[in-house]
Amino acid sequence: QQQVKQSPQSLIVQKGGISIINCAYENTAFDYFPWYQQFPGKGPALLIAIRPDVSEKKEGRFTISFNKSAKQFSLHIMDSQPGDSATYFCAASWYKLTFGKGTLLTVNP
Amino acid sequence: DSGVTQTPKHLITATGQRVTLRCSPRSGDLSVYWYQQSLDQGLQFLIQYYNGEERAKGNILERFSAQQFPDLHSELNLSSLELGDSALYFCASSVGQAFDEKLFFGSGTQLSVL
Repeated sequence: QQQVKQSPQSLIVQKGGISIINCAYENTAFDYFPWYQQFPGKGPALLIAIRPDVSEKKEGRFTISFNKSAKQFSLHIMDSQPGDSATYFCAASWYKLTFGKGTLLTVNP
Repeated sequence: DSGVTQTPKHLITATGQRVTLRCSPRSGDLSVYWYQQSLDQGLQFLIQYYNGEERAKGNILERFSAQQFPDLHSELNLSSLELGDSALYFCASSVGQAFDEKLFFGSGTQLSVL
């Protein structure tokens, strides 16, 4: 049972463009929604996180949009750069962290 | 560098064998988590320890076991290995045990079962 569904599996964006990754969840007990970024050969690292009482959180070029009624949340990367090329995981937590299957983002120069 | 150390980085073994993966958490972190990463299943939570005690359990097989020692390092033991156990195993640590803890991941141990 996949509790956090992430799409797309892969995404190619031109430098300067907007990257958008979407996630949906079923369990309404989830109370914390982080995004992790993983570069090849490295472990995931926390990028940004949101609680369900907030509809949007922005940190630099990264923004999480959260829709509690639709049980969906998304990551927007503005002005995407080649250095943003990585795998991005959404996750949701209530007593343990459950990850989506990841999105491989490629930003072309 | 996350501050979490995992050894070994690579491990090649045969079916039926037993291996031990080791993790040293960041200084001051009391929680250790183990995750299995594969292409088809993604990042699967296995188990969490907090200050030596099991805190939460995920999709961990009975052939797998883990423990956290008094010095807070942790070991994941995988026995009767099967081809399907080949994966990247991550350890992560956090300060506390709350559900919204920031996790710091190590670089992983790549296990290949031949």
